[in-house]
This record gives sequence, C-alpha cells and structure tokens, in this order.
Amino acid sequence: GENVEQHPSTLSVQEGDSAVIKCTYSDSASNYFPWYKQELGKGPQLIIDIRSNVGEKKDQRIAVTLNKTAKHFSLHITETQPEDSAVYFCAAMRWSGSRLTFGEGTQLTVNP
Amino acid sequence: DGGITQSPKYLFRKEGQNVTLSCEQNLNHDAMYWYRQDPGQGLRLIYYSQIVNDFQKGDIAEGYSVSREKKESFPLTVTSAQKNPTAFYLCASSRDGTNTGELFFGEGSRLTVL
Repeated sequence: GENVEQHPSTLSVQEGDSAVIKCTYSDSASNYFPWYKQELGKGPQLIIDIRSNVGEKKDQRIAVTLNKTAKHFSLHITETQPEDSAVYFCAAMRWSGSRLTFGEGTQLTVNP
Repeated sequence: DGGITQSPKYLFRKEGQNVTLSCEQNLNHDAMYWYRQDPGQGLRLIYYSQIVNDFQKGDIAEGYSVSREKKESFPLTVTSAQKNPTAFYLCASSRDGTNTGELFFGEGSRLTVL
C-alpha cells in the first residue's frame, strides 16, 4: 500500500516569512495529492490539491509543487500570518482509489 | 448549513465498556469514513463506507465496529477489545468513494478511557 512521509514535524517561522512542508510517497500509481489544514479543536479542511498532470498549482499565498519522478510534493506558504498557525497534513491516493493515505502532520507556528 | 456533525465532543469511559460515537452528515454524500488521530501519527483509517449497507475495514479496524443503515449516518463503536482507545476520532464524508479525494471532516470526538 501507499506510504506517505512528511517533514518537518514542527515548523516555527516569523510572520511574513515563507514556510515549506515536504512529503514523499511510495506508490508510483498515486496521482492525487491534497493538503489539509487542521486548526486547534477542529477537523481538517482541504486547502489545496494537485493532480499528477500538473507540476505546480497556486492559490493566493499557498502553492503546491509535485515531482512525480522523485515522488515528492511540497506545500509553500508565503507571507505567513498568525492565522496560518495550524497542523498541516499531506495525503496521496490513486484517482481511482477509494482512500487517502495521510502523512504524519506538521505543526506550523507563525510568531507575530 | 450542510456539514458533518459528530457527538459527543468529549467522552469518558471506563475500561471494559463499549462506547458509540455518532456521525451524521447532511451533504448527501455517498461515502463516509472514520479516522483516528494520535499525536505524531497523522490520520489513520479505521473503517469506510462507499454506499449504504456496505463498509470496509481500514488500516486499524481491530477493536472497532461500524454500521451504515442510512446514507446520512455512520456510527462507530469502540469495543472493549480495542487495546488503546484513548484518541481523537474524526468522521469524514466525500461525494463518492472513487471519483474525488476531497474529504469533509467533522469537528471530532475525544475519547478518554479512565
């Protein structure tokens, strides 16, 4: 089955700096890669996703890049704000599959 | 507002007792899921259901049971056979189980075994 590894487990940045979270996956057939944000006491929410037919996707201050050859993908947050502080999860699945495999999560703290 | 409702938010149980966590959705989604969240271990799939009256084991199904008698409801029972039940449990749904990966999560239920 799929195995997803996520790094770092914790990340602390100053407000306005950029943050990068990286994930690797094992199943070369995986072709859908979402990122979820979990605020304290809440369930995770989808913030951005990418499919294997593109290498990069951007939505305002967040972007995701995908390297299918190396089997890794990354989340980039620019101009970080305190409200970006949360746990971020990457995940991978086959588009025809029925279940996501999640990474271990990254606790991002943005210091004012 | 459409969404997923989990209850109770907090639950305490004594060892040896079964407990049932409720999950209801009004999104008209076909697929529903139960995840367990432990610190540093991400989200691990317990059970999932792609359609009413059908469900499959996930990666850590031992000690848990589910039912899917109605489209909008997917309760999870944590049985006394679950060796380490203290955790944060998340229910999720998706439009269907095969064509989209987007999951919509509830706010979770925190179970503590005393």
